[in-house]
Amino acid sequence: DAGVTQSPTHLIKTRGQQVTLRCSPKSGHDTVSWYQQALGQGPQFIFQYYEEEERQRGNFPDRFSGHQFPNYSSELNVNALLLGDSALYLCASSLEGAKGYTFGSGTRLTVV
Amino acid sequence: AQSVTQPDIHITVSEGASLELRCNYSYGATPYLFWYVQSPGQGLQLLLKYFSGDTLVQGIKGFEAEFKRSQSSFNLRKPSVHWSDAAEYFCAVGARVTDKLIFGTGTRLQVFP
Repeated sequence: DAGVTQSPTHLIKTRGQQVTLRCSPKSGHDTVSWYQQALGQGPQFIFQYYEEEERQRGNFPDRFSGHQFPNYSSELNVNALLLGDSALYLCASSLEGAKGYTFGSGTRLTVV
Repeated sequence: AQSVTQPDIHITVSEGASLELRCNYSYGATPYLFWYVQSPGQGLQLLLKYFSGDTLVQGIKGFEAEFKRSQSSFNLRKPSVHWSDAAEYFCAVGARVTDKLIFGTGTRLQVFP
């Protein structure tokens, strides 16, 4: 049973560019959450998608947007990249009403 | 304000020694509490969780944690540490089972042979 799959694993972007990160949830899960983990910090909640709608959002600017598809997979988009957006981006999936998340291994984004 | 505090940034123990990692939280309602472990460059693996009931919870890899409401704490313990336990440990709190999680800044565990 595949867990949470994220792609790509690493990428390097230039300041001002746009990036799209992808997440396939664990089989049977219908909710996807995204977290940003800066170096040496704990993960910070970006937003959560359920039934193709953004259900909760953390304290992140509108440059961060997302989407959930009918097959429950999700994308995280970041526009106008800043150096401070360099981080590990983690996707976590869950089943509504069930107990807890499964995290992917993350996408390491470096902005230069 | 909702927050999680992990007072110890870095802990070093000898293999075979006991371990306790501290976690204190500030939360308006009864929280759901979690401990995760992260190896370098990897995602988060759930060690254990507390939702209700017995305040001493058992997790994977021989870890346990105790919820103390009066102290707003959820400390992680292991009686005998193995070299493979070296990693970063994160405590997290949420309002319900699949709500957003608030994480602490983590404790880095180093194990000496």
